[in-house]
Amino acid sequence: DAKTTQPNSMESNEEEPVHLPCNHSTISGTDYIHWYRQLPSQGPEYVIHGLTSNVNNRMASLAIAEDRKSSTLILHRATLRDAAVYYCILNFGNEKLTFGTGTRLTIIP
Amino acid sequence: SQTIHQWPATLVQPVGSPLSLECTVEGTSNPNLYWYRQAAGRGLQLLFYSVGIGQISSEVPQNLSASRPQDRQFILSSKKLLLSDSGFYLCAWRSHPHEQYFGPGTRLTVT
Repeated sequence: DAKTTQPNSMESNEEEPVHLPCNHSTISGTDYIHWYRQLPSQGPEYVIHGLTSNVNNRMASLAIAEDRKSSTLILHRATLRDAAVYYCILNFGNEKLTFGTGTRLTIIP
Repeated sequence: SQTIHQWPATLVQPVGSPLSLECTVEGTSNPNLYWYRQAAGRGLQLLFYSVGIGQISSEVPQNLSASRPQDRQFILSSKKLLLSDSGFYLCAWRSHPHEQYFGPGTRLTVT
């Protein structure tokens, strides 16, 4: 499986946008980029996924670099409830999601 | 809407005792189902997945087994628990090739 690299931790102020980066320089042409997040003591929660074009949904936006070797999850206005570990995962749609260590996002009130 | 249930929420079991964790999904038919484990301070590890009744694929050979006796029921079992089986066990289902939805989890402590 192609590997992703994320910062271990990030901090952001409440009510400001947050940009969470993910590098995936060995991504294959069939790999989709997925983002999940895990709040404390809960199971992961699907956030968003994309292949080549930028994607928006009610939770976040996903910006994908033109060469697809990196992507950024954008939370437009962070709240305290967005404090979680965010995982960037590559997968072409098979059963196996491989979760790494993710980015621990802290929101400062 | 779809809902996924897991029970129990927490469990403390002695080494050598059996284990049975149950997961059920409502509001969908023939879902793909998954068992993951998250050891303390570590990432999630896929243990088993099932694409239909009686069909189980194991990702990691170990002390655990899984069964799918009904379309929307997925069971994780062990005959004899080890200390290393402690962790947060999560059941998930897939609605779309790129979206998995997770249950609330069972926190297992083996003593």
